[in-house]
Amino acid sequence: AQSVTQLDSHVSVSEGTPVLLRCNYSSSYSPSLFWYVQHPNKGLQLLLKYTSAATLVKGINGFEAEFKKSETSFHLTKPSAHMSDAAEYFCVVHSGNTPLVFGKGTRLSVIA
Amino acid sequence: SQTIHQWPATLVQPVGSPLSLECTVEGTSNPNLYWYRQAAGRGLQLLFYSVGIGQISSEVPQNLSASRPQDRQFILSSKKLLLSDSGFYLCAWRGTGWMSPLHFGNGTRLTVT
Repeated sequence: AQSVTQLDSHVSVSEGTPVLLRCNYSSSYSPSLFWYVQHPNKGLQLLLKYTSAATLVKGINGFEAEFKKSETSFHLTKPSAHMSDAAEYFCVVHSGNTPLVFGKGTRLSVIA
Repeated sequence: SQTIHQWPATLVQPVGSPLSLECTVEGTSNPNLYWYRQAAGRGLQLLFYSVGIGQISSEVPQNLSASRPQDRQFILSSKKLLLSDSGFYLCAWRGTGWMSPLHFGNGTRLTVT
């Protein structure tokens, strides 16, 4: 069985400060992990993915995430938030032949 | 490059009317295809997925159905819409490799009145 928990439903940061969106997962097998971003009334866009290569994964728009097996975490970070980063973010886990499992999402607000 | 098209972008339908949402993928063959629904303020709910023509798996029993008449075409249908069918519907595809991510269309905002 696999599951994913996004620890914060809403995160608010000031423009120019770091972003941290937390994700913990559970998986019976070596997982693939993904982060997606969704702007209002839009589809989900892939930010980055971890597929058992490097544990630090760099994505688009300056985001990165680190896979920590010992902590079963895959937190998303960005050094400096921009106003355009305000959106909903989803952490996703996949292993074996089961469908991908989505977290409930974290809404990121960026304050000018 | 691969692209996914989903239409219409918005739809307002009365209760009891039929529904047909279409999704097509270009630039890839034999993709796995998915329909998700996203209710207001909630996460994504997987409705249907398909690994090939005519092969549909349903994750949630309801008054919706899906069909895959061609390799890169996925259709979501209903004979009679309910108020509870309102939401944001997303089509997605992924390759057959287990590491492949999902790629989403831009979604359809359905309002049942």
